[in-house]
Amino acid sequence: DAGVTQSPTHLIKTRGQHVTLRCSPISGHKSVSWYQQVLGQGPQFIFQYYEKEERGRGNFPDRFSARQFPNYSSELNVNALLLGDSALYLCASSYAGTGSSYEQYFGPGTRLTVT
Amino acid sequence: GQSLEQPSEVTAVEGAIVQINCTYQTSGFYGLSWYQQHDGGAPTFLSYNGLDGLEETGRFSSFLSRSDSYGYLLLQELQMKDSASYFCAVNQAGTALIFGKGTTLSVSS
Repeated sequence: DAGVTQSPTHLIKTRGQHVTLRCSPISGHKSVSWYQQVLGQGPQFIFQYYEKEERGRGNFPDRFSARQFPNYSSELNVNALLLGDSALYLCASSYAGTGSSYEQYFGPGTRLTVT
Repeated sequence: GQSLEQPSEVTAVEGAIVQINCTYQTSGFYGLSWYQQHDGGAPTFLSYNGLDGLEETGRFSSFLSRSDSYGYLLLQELQMKDSASYFCAVNQAGTALIFGKGTTLSVSS
C-alpha cells in the first residue's frame, strides 16, 4: 500500500505570496494532521482534520488554513508568506481522530523556502 | 502551557545501551509517543505508552510514569543506523501530537 504522499516536494516562494500544499493519506485513514518543522526543532502541530472537520488547531496565525476533502486528502494554505515560514511542512495520517492518534504516519514533507 | 524537555544530544558506541529521557508538562494527557527521524526523512513511529510501565519492541523499549510526568526511550545493541533524531511527543486532547525539540543520537564504531 502507498504511504502518505505530499506535493510538491520543494517550493520556493517570495514574501507576500500564497502557497498551497497537498497531502494524500494512507488508504483507509480518516485523519490528517499538518506540522511545521524548522531546522533543528521538533515538528510543531498546525491542524488536525478528521472526517473533513477541524479537530484541533495549533498556535499559528490566521494566515494558515487547511481543509480536508471527501476522499480524505487535505490542503494546507498559507497566505502572505513571511521569511519565517520557511520550513519543512509535514503531513501525517492516522485512522482515528484525537485521543488515539498517537501512531501517525508521516509523509516525506514539502520543503518551503521563502525569499 | 505545555512543554517537553529532552536532552539535545547523546553519543554512544555500537553495541551500547542508551536512554533518552523526556519530561513533560501538559493538560489533557493521553500518552507519550516516540518517533525517529533520520536526516532529511520523515518521522517514523517507534513506541507508545498510554499506561504506566514498560513497553518493549525489539531493541527499543519505552517507559512512562504519569505521576512523575516522565518517560524514556531505551535503545539496546546500538547500531550505526540508529544515528538519528529521536522525539518524544505527547498525545493530547484537542491536538494531534505535541513534539519535544528532539535528541540527536550519534553512534560511533
